[in-house]
Amino acid sequence: DGGITQSPKYLFRKEGQNVTLSCEQNLNHDAMYWYRQDPGQGLRLIYYSQIVNDFQKGDIAEGYSVSREKKESFPLTVTSAQKNPTAFYLCATHLVPGELFFGEGSRLTVL
Amino acid sequence: GIQVEQSPPDLILQEGANSTLRCNFSDSVNNLQWFHQNPWGQLINLFYIPSGTKQNGRLSATTVATERYSLLYISSSQTTDSGVYFCAVENNYGQNFVFGPGTRLSALP
Repeated sequence: DGGITQSPKYLFRKEGQNVTLSCEQNLNHDAMYWYRQDPGQGLRLIYYSQIVNDFQKGDIAEGYSVSREKKESFPLTVTSAQKNPTAFYLCATHLVPGELFFGEGSRLTVL
Repeated sequence: GIQVEQSPPDLILQEGANSTLRCNFSDSVNNLQWFHQNPWGQLINLFYIPSGTKQNGRLSATTVATERYSLLYISSSQTTDSGVYFCAVENNYGQNFVFGPGTRLSALP
């Protein structure tokens, strides 16, 4: 299947633990993004990457880290420094210029 | 950075009614898209419309870039149209997308 695959879809974490969310794409898109969505709210940008081995902080990068070692992959690590990590996380890709496409999301709950 | 506003914040319709959703943005943009987020959280692309008018079935969209707004029209609404509609704009530097706060639509049977 073509597209964007996020995993896991649901994840539970204890306070103080780091967790990594996976985002893989086979669309050959250069740009990839991570957004966070809280209940009843809009999307806020965490990190984005325009090319391999390069990424930039978005509006709410504190407590998160990313890597872009391969064009297909853009994992997001939610660290213990993130004070309120329970949220819905969405990965997106973009063929510049053109449309933004989203994966199905990962729901993280901190217990 | 670019500011994006959407109105109305909430919309309740009877099935079969028409509606217009608005997106205002504060600066010139490269790209504007409309998305529908279904009750399961999935974001579905509706329109890629930096300017002009497009139609897809019961939905159509118009962007007037010079006046910095876009409109999404939904005709003969169905219960499956329920969810949140987001407008997203890409700044002129092509760096990232900014989302509006969304319009929550409830189409009642």
